[in-house]
Amino acid sequence: NAGVTQTPKFRVLKTGQSMTLLCAQDMNHEYMYWYRQDPGMGLRLIHYSVGEGTTAKGEVPDGYNVSRLKKQNFLLGLESAAPSQTSVYFCASTKPLGQVGSNEQFFGPGTRLTVL
Amino acid sequence: AQKVTQAQTEISVVEKEDVTLDCVYETRDTTYYLFWYKQPPSGELVFLIRRNSFDEQNEISGRYSWNFQKSTSSFNFTITASQVVDSAVYFCALSEPLGGAQKLVFGQGTRLTINP
Repeated sequence: NAGVTQTPKFRVLKTGQSMTLLCAQDMNHEYMYWYRQDPGMGLRLIHYSVGEGTTAKGEVPDGYNVSRLKKQNFLLGLESAAPSQTSVYFCASTKPLGQVGSNEQFFGPGTRLTVL
Repeated sequence: AQKVTQAQTEISVVEKEDVTLDCVYETRDTTYYLFWYKQPPSGELVFLIRRNSFDEQNEISGRYSWNFQKSTSSFNFTITASQVVDSAVYFCALSEPLGGAQKLVFGQGTRLTINP
């Protein structure tokens, strides 16, 4: 199993450009999350999904959109990138609550995004 | 709201010294999970331990040990006989219910440098 993978690993954008980050998991997990990590800070939740076709806002959702068209994929979009979105983005997945091991989040390797 | 505080921003020790990383948390939930993650210079998040709120037994795994004290809302992490490979940023995290899912609330992280 590859676990949680993220594409791309690195990206540089100019202000105003758009892009999509892809997260894929092969563990058949229901729940998926997008976090961002800024220097000197822990991870903060951007958006999450509790199943195919459903998404919800997290702690810092502004400037991002997400989609969960397939259970295994969770896309994070930046419609008009801003320098404040320069960060490292992590995707994670978990089993649904109530299942054994549901409290453990499996993280992807991260995507380092720079917006100039 | 849940909160995790890692008061030590940076710690630097000489190899073979013991080092303790502090973590204090705030939550109103009676059931919750606490985590420690390691983030080496390569950037990925490495899961170290998960502890649920009903299990206050200390845990030891090789050179790593964890001290969970509910009375003081602390979940401290000790590395015995530190090695250069232990150099990393360490994050403490707390689970927070989020609709049908759970998000992780992270502390700010402690940057640990082990000098040869």
